[in-house]
Amino acid sequence: NAGVTQTPKFQVLKTGQSMTLQCAQDMNHEYMSWYRQDPGMGLRLIHYSVGAGITDQGEVPNGYNVSRSTTEDFPLRLLSAAPSQTSVYFCASRPTGTRARTGELFFGEGSRLTVL
Amino acid sequence: GEDVEQSLFLSVREGDSSVINCTYTDSSSTYLYWYKQEPGAGLQLLTYIFSNMDMKQDQRLTVLLNKKDKHLSLRIADTQTGDSAIYFCAVLHGSSNTGKLIFGQGTTLQVKP
Repeated sequence: NAGVTQTPKFQVLKTGQSMTLQCAQDMNHEYMSWYRQDPGMGLRLIHYSVGAGITDQGEVPNGYNVSRSTTEDFPLRLLSAAPSQTSVYFCASRPTGTRARTGELFFGEGSRLTVL
Repeated sequence: GEDVEQSLFLSVREGDSSVINCTYTDSSSTYLYWYKQEPGAGLQLLTYIFSNMDMKQDQRLTVLLNKKDKHLSLRIADTQTGDSAIYFCAVLHGSSNTGKLIFGQGTTLQVKP
């Protein structure tokens, strides 16, 4: 199994450009989420989804959009990039229902974004 | 909102024990976790503890939970240079189905040879 796969791993954008960070998981996990990691601030939740067709906002949703048309994919869209969105972005997933167990998240390797 | 706090940096000598501390505000958290992040990599689950436990031991790792003080700690015995990484404390806010993981700031552990 590949687990959680994020693309691209690195990206440089100019202010005002838009882009999509891709996230795919092959574990049939219903729950998927996006976090951003910034020095001294830990991981902050951007958006999450508990299943296909369902999304909700996390702690820092402004400037980001998500959609969940399939169980496998959960793309994160930056609508108009700003320097404050320079960060490392992590996608994470976990099973729910009878497979929920301990609630732990499984993480991708991260996407490093720089906005100039 | 719910909050998780950690100190940012810890330095130890190889062979010593390391203790990383964490405090949290959500008294209803059912699961609490320690994740490890090596440079340039994602987060890997090290261990977790259920809220009805006081202690959990897993080889060199010991997790202590004080629910009254909302304090969680991770002790690494016989710390090795390979343990150098960022350690994140996280708590589950809500159910294991739909709940969110709230993370601390991360503690950078530096192990000196």
